[in-house]
Amino acid sequence: GQQLNQSPQSMFIQEGEDVSMNCTSSSIFNTWLWYKQDPGEGPVLLIALYKAGELTSNGRLTAQFGITRKDSFLNISASIPSDVGIYFCAGRGPPQGGNEKLTFGTGTRLTIIP
Amino acid sequence: GAVVSQHPSWVICKSGTSVKIECRSLDFQATTMFWYRQFPKQSLMLMATSNEGSKATYEQGVEKDKFLINHASLTLSTLTVTSAHPEDSSFYICSARDTSGSSSYNEQFFGPGTRLTVL
Repeated sequence: GQQLNQSPQSMFIQEGEDVSMNCTSSSIFNTWLWYKQDPGEGPVLLIALYKAGELTSNGRLTAQFGITRKDSFLNISASIPSDVGIYFCAGRGPPQGGNEKLTFGTGTRLTIIP
Repeated sequence: GAVVSQHPSWVICKSGTSVKIECRSLDFQATTMFWYRQFPKQSLMLMATSNEGSKATYEQGVEKDKFLINHASLTLSTLTVTSAHPEDSSFYICSARDTSGSSSYNEQFFGPGTRLTVL
């Protein structure tokens, strides 16, 4: 199935640093979502974006819905140890037969170096 | 709110046996649930969309006779892996969308996943 291109694939940062990751698609999406997955767990929703150009924050997390509707980015400010995990973007397309289906990005693995 | 549970959390079975995984929405009703499969260090791949009271919709390349889905109620969907083989070993995750408006986001909430190992 289709996947979204997410970069970087992995990040190694020190505690306190800011983090930025992005997701791009060849298709237009109506909704962009960002999830975090811890090892052995299911993804947890962090932020949802519904309008092109929308900028939304959730605590130290900020995400934007690209104006072209083909991309989105997620920023994490002042990283802390519990930010470690895998971050996935997900897009939901214009209404078609599979309106509710999500397409997931390839993931960004965040590691904090002590 | 919007909690999704899965049972079992892990299962080990012999090749050729069938395994049933349950997905429940604990505090909301879900007319649609989704089943994903995730191999190590890979992303989530949608297998099928489970619709309450009707047949599931399978993604291209997913064998409907091998992965049986039953969405018998508004809070329960089951995935049965029939005649499991080692290549079916994976992390199976379900999700459900809370459309009642009681959650902050009207989006898919995921279960904790089921780790299937086929010997």
